[in-house]
Amino acid sequence: NAGVTQTPKFQVLKTGQSMTLQCAQDMNHEYMSWYRQDPGMGLRLIHYSVGAGITDQGEVPNGYNVSRSTTEDFPLRLLSAAPSQTSVYFCASSYTGRSNSPLHFGNGTRLTVT
Amino acid sequence: KNEVEQSPQNLTAQEGEFITINCSYSVGISALHWLQQHPGGGIVSLFMLSSGKKKHGRLIATINIQEKHSSLHITASHPRDSAVYICAVAGGGADGLTFGKGTHLIIQP
Repeated sequence: NAGVTQTPKFQVLKTGQSMTLQCAQDMNHEYMSWYRQDPGMGLRLIHYSVGAGITDQGEVPNGYNVSRSTTEDFPLRLLSAAPSQTSVYFCASSYTGRSNSPLHFGNGTRLTVT
Repeated sequence: KNEVEQSPQNLTAQEGEFITINCSYSVGISALHWLQQHPGGGIVSLFMLSSGKKKHGRLIATINIQEKHSSLHITASHPRDSAVYICAVAGGGADGLTFGKGTHLIIQP
């Protein structure tokens, strides 16, 4: 079982470039989410999905788009990268997304925007 | 919005010591998670609890819902326990978790 797979592990972008962070899970989890982790701050929710075809905004959604066309995949798109988006990004999934369901995290993507 | 506070922010201890990390939150929750993040960044779920106490190996997590407080204990600490420990609270809906800033633990041999 691969669990939650994130790619790439590292990425450097120039301001204004676009890219997609990939996230895939093979546990048939309904709930998937994207977080960013910045120094001195807790993880913050960017976007989440409770099932295929359903997405919603989290705490810090500006500058990011998501889609959920399949249960397995939940890509995060940066349309026009900005230095403020330099961060470590984590994808996570859980069976239902409700409080009694543990989260499974990917290994993270370290993104630098110059 | 729930405010999640962890203490201490940093903790250095000697191998074998009993470790306690605390987490307080401001608004009632449906569950609390303890996570472990090792150098290199991967995050692993340690516990999820909504009442009482859970134990896994040398790790014990407790929660007091009335006092809005949880503790994570490590018995017979070992250098491999060195990591950042993160508390996160769930409101019961599908809008994700609110995370504390983490406690950076170093266990010296």
